[in-house]
Amino acid sequence: AQTVTQSQPEMSVQEAETVTLSCTYDTSENNYYLFWYKQPPSRQMILVIRQEAYKQQNATENRFSVNFQKAAKSFSLKISDSQLGDTAMYFCAFMRDGTASKLTFGTGTRLQVTL
Amino acid sequence: GAVVSQHPSRVICKSGTSVKIECRSLDFQATTMFWYRQFPKQSLMLMATSNEGSKATYEQGVEKDKFLINHASLTLSTLTVTSAHPEDSSFYICSARAPPGTSGRALYSFEQYFGPGTRLTVL
Repeated sequence: AQTVTQSQPEMSVQEAETVTLSCTYDTSENNYYLFWYKQPPSRQMILVIRQEAYKQQNATENRFSVNFQKAAKSFSLKISDSQLGDTAMYFCAFMRDGTASKLTFGTGTRLQVTL
Repeated sequence: GAVVSQHPSRVICKSGTSVKIECRSLDFQATTMFWYRQFPKQSLMLMATSNEGSKATYEQGVEKDKFLINHASLTLSTLTVTSAHPEDSSFYICSARAPPGTSGRALYSFEQYFGPGTRLTVL
């Protein structure tokens, strides 16, 4: 079974600064997907960024980028120029390739962006 | 694209009654839908996976007779909490996946698209 570990329950960053959220996972699969989801107070799950394991290049979406280290099974999220609207729970998730695949979530990191 | 709705957004019911929650994919066909439960300040816990036209697959520890799931069409799945009790109070979230091979127009078969959730309170 796959496991996803987020070792930082809470983090805080000042507006306009950069913050990195950690995520490690354990799997014996070679083909899989990794995701970062944001859950603001509204509790709507919002996809922040995705990474396909076969792609060596790190994914980037505007201010959000990942550092994907496949051998180390690490998938950290970097948020640049943090904004107040980034305040939320962030969940790292793993999904193996396949039509019946399920998402495995980490325990989440609560990020607070301060003035 | 890839919009998923849930209804109702919140429901309060008395202990012993049954509650139905609907999950709809509005602009795509969802061959697979998932139901999650989330307690305060915790992660999402997968309850079951439902495929259109077949019986749902429940995760270990989830009572299938308690949480009835029906996926009667490619755009609708329902979760019925039967004989609800206060311990069933939680936030229920559904997600939907597009058919295998879907790619493009911001819709990918390997992604799950989430509904806004339903807050259930059982008195």
